[in-house]
Amino acid sequence: NAGVTQTPKFQVLKTGQSMTLQCAQDMNHNSMYWYRQDPGMGLRLIYYSASEGTTDKGEVPNGYNVSRLNKREFSLRLESAAPSQTSVYFCASSENRGRTEAFFGQGTRLTVV
Amino acid sequence: SQQGEEDPQALSIQEGENATMNCSYKTSINNLQWYRQNSGRGLVHLILIRSNEREKHSGRLRVTLDTSKKSSSLLITASRAADTASYFCATVRMDSSYKLIFGSGTRLLVRP
Repeated sequence: NAGVTQTPKFQVLKTGQSMTLQCAQDMNHNSMYWYRQDPGMGLRLIYYSASEGTTDKGEVPNGYNVSRLNKREFSLRLESAAPSQTSVYFCASSENRGRTEAFFGQGTRLTVV
Repeated sequence: SQQGEEDPQALSIQEGENATMNCSYKTSINNLQWYRQNSGRGLVHLILIRSNEREKHSGRLRVTLDTSKKSSSLLITASRAADTASYFCATVRMDSSYKLIFGSGTRLLVRP
């Protein structure tokens, strides 16, 4: 049972490059989330998708875009990476719009140089 | 600013002692959840308490919720070295946004 799978696990980008972080869940969950976690900090919500076909901004959406490709997949795109986007990115899913527990992927460690 | 704020930011206790962490939040909530994060790993859900509940137990964990004070506490009894981790509270607001917002966390060190 894979749960929430994120790819890649590690990535180094140069300033200005673009990339897409992939997330897939196999639990038939409706809601999916993208967070970033900076060293010694809590998680900050970037974007979320309450259900298939919908996306909405979180606390720190600037510099990011998302696509809810289908019920399983929710991708996060950095169009022009900046050093301030160096962080660990976590994807999560929950069955019912936050009313039930969320399951997390293992994270993507992104460094922008 | 973040919805939830944990207190203390760091806690160091001896194995066998109890650990108490507090979480305060700002807006009305649908539920409050506690998560654990081992260093360098993803988060693992511990317990969820709904806004109409006041206390919940799960094994060595006890969570309380006081909606009038907009606060929650997580008690870990008889702590073990393996409980060393960061603990986060997260809230789902009582609106249509369905956002799951995390606090800043408490780093717990349990000394053997």
